[in-house]
Amino acid sequence: GNSVTQMEGPVTLSEEAFLTINCTYTATGYPSLFWYVQYPGEGLQLLLKATKADDKGSNKGFEATYRKETTSFHLEKGSVQVSDSAVYFCALSDLSNFGNEKLTFGTGTRLTIIP
Amino acid sequence: NAGVMQNPRHLVRRRGQEARLRCSPMKGHSHVYWYRQLPEEGLKFMVYLQKENIIDESGMPKERFSAEFPKEGPSILRIQQVVRGDSAAYFCASSPSGARGTDTQYFGPGTRLTVL
Repeated sequence: GNSVTQMEGPVTLSEEAFLTINCTYTATGYPSLFWYVQYPGEGLQLLLKATKADDKGSNKGFEATYRKETTSFHLEKGSVQVSDSAVYFCALSDLSNFGNEKLTFGTGTRLTIIP
Repeated sequence: NAGVMQNPRHLVRRRGQEARLRCSPMKGHSHVYWYRQLPEEGLKFMVYLQKENIIDESGMPKERFSAEFPKEGPSILRIQQVVRGDSAAYFCASSPSGARGTDTQYFGPGTRLTVL
């Protein structure tokens, strides 16, 4: 079955540092790939997505490129801010036998940015 | 525009009791998904519903768990005779449609269930 493996946390960085959170996946077919973010006390929000190989998703300074050859979708940001402190989830989606989209998530990586 | 609402946010039950978790989708959304996050694990798909219909329950445990999404009112995830292993965070998501690539699933803040 489908699975997502992401970098274990917690990750602590200083403000303006470079961020990478690794994510690799195992899937049959051609899934779409996502990064979701969860701020304290809130639900998961879609951060960015890519629907096919070599696509790059980007939002709020974050980027991730769909790498089919390495089955990876690593999240990067050049200069993090304190407000980026949150839990980040990598996920993939594929169609179920019923035609609906099912998401499979990684375990989440807690990121803390210190001033 | 209110987001996906879930209540309660925290629920404590003793073994053998029933747990009812509620999810109100975003306005205009008629598709609801339930996910469960066990400690130290990622979110796992449980069930997908449209109004008055269960479409895909392939992730639901075979016993004690049920879900509904009535014509009026919130979607309910019901767990009968809870056991300690049911302790988890339960997330609800909604979307305008269920088809791939056409829209995003919007998540609620989750209900954290603790079974004593």
